[in-house]
Amino acid sequence: QSALTQPASVSGSPGQSITISCAGTSDDVGGYQYVSWYQQHPGKAPQLMIYDVSNRPSGVSNRFSGSKSGNTASLTISGLQADDEADYYCTSYASSNTWVFGGGTKLTVL
Amino acid sequence: EVQLLESGGGLVQPGGSLRLSCAASGVTFSSYAMSWVRQAPGKGLEWVSGTIGSGGVTYYADSVKGRFTISRDNSKNTLYLQMNSLRAEDTAVYYCAKAEHYYDFWGGVYWGQGTLVAVSS
Repeated sequence: QSALTQPASVSGSPGQSITISCAGTSDDVGGYQYVSWYQQHPGKAPQLMIYDVSNRPSGVSNRFSGSKSGNTASLTISGLQADDEADYYCTSYASSNTWVFGGGTKLTVL
Repeated sequence: EVQLLESGGGLVQPGGSLRLSCAASGVTFSSYAMSWVRQAPGKGLEWVSGTIGSGGVTYYADSVKGRFTISRDNSKNTLYLQMNSLRAEDTAVYYCAKAEHYYDFWGGVYWGQGTLVAVSS
C-alpha cells in the first residue's frame, strides 16, 4: 500500500497555470480510471476537485482540469487565484482493494 | 443537503480503545459505500477503512488491519470505527467520507469535519 508520489510544493503567480504530478504504478493510477484530486485549506476538510481522472464535480471551476498518461496523473490549475493556495492530494483506487493517497503538494500563490 | 458529523474522538492511552461514529443526514445512507480517512498532525491524508452500502464487505489499510473494525447501522444512518490496541501513530483527525456508489468505497464529494483522536500516556 505505497503512497502515490507528488512534489512537496509548487508555486505560481496569479493568472499563471501550474501542474501537479502524481506518480503511481500499474496497480493504481495506471490500472484504473479512478484518480481523484482533493484540495484542502488549513483546518478544513478536503474538497473534491476532480474525479475519475478528468471530471469536475458540480460547482468546481473549469480552471481545474485533470489528466492521466500511463502511471502518472496530473492536475492543472489555470488562471491562478489567491484562494487556490492550499494543499492538493491525488488519490486512486488500488488493486489491493485499497484507496491510496499521494503525500500532498503545497501550492503557493506568489 | 448531505451532512456527515463525526464524534467519539478524544485522548486515550496507548493500548486503549475508542469508537468513532459518523452520523449522516440528507442522504439515503444505505445506498452508498463509506470510508474513514485520517490525517496525522501536519501530515497528509491516509485511508483507513471502507465498507460497501450494506456493510457486508469491509476493507482495511495494512496499518490498522486486525486492530480497527468498520461497521454501519443503516437504520440509524451511522458509520462506526472501533479502534483497539491504539498506538501513538494512530493520533490523527479522523474523517468519514461518503462514496458515490454502493460498492466503490473510494472518492466522494462529501466529508465530515473530522474528529481528533490523540493517543498518549
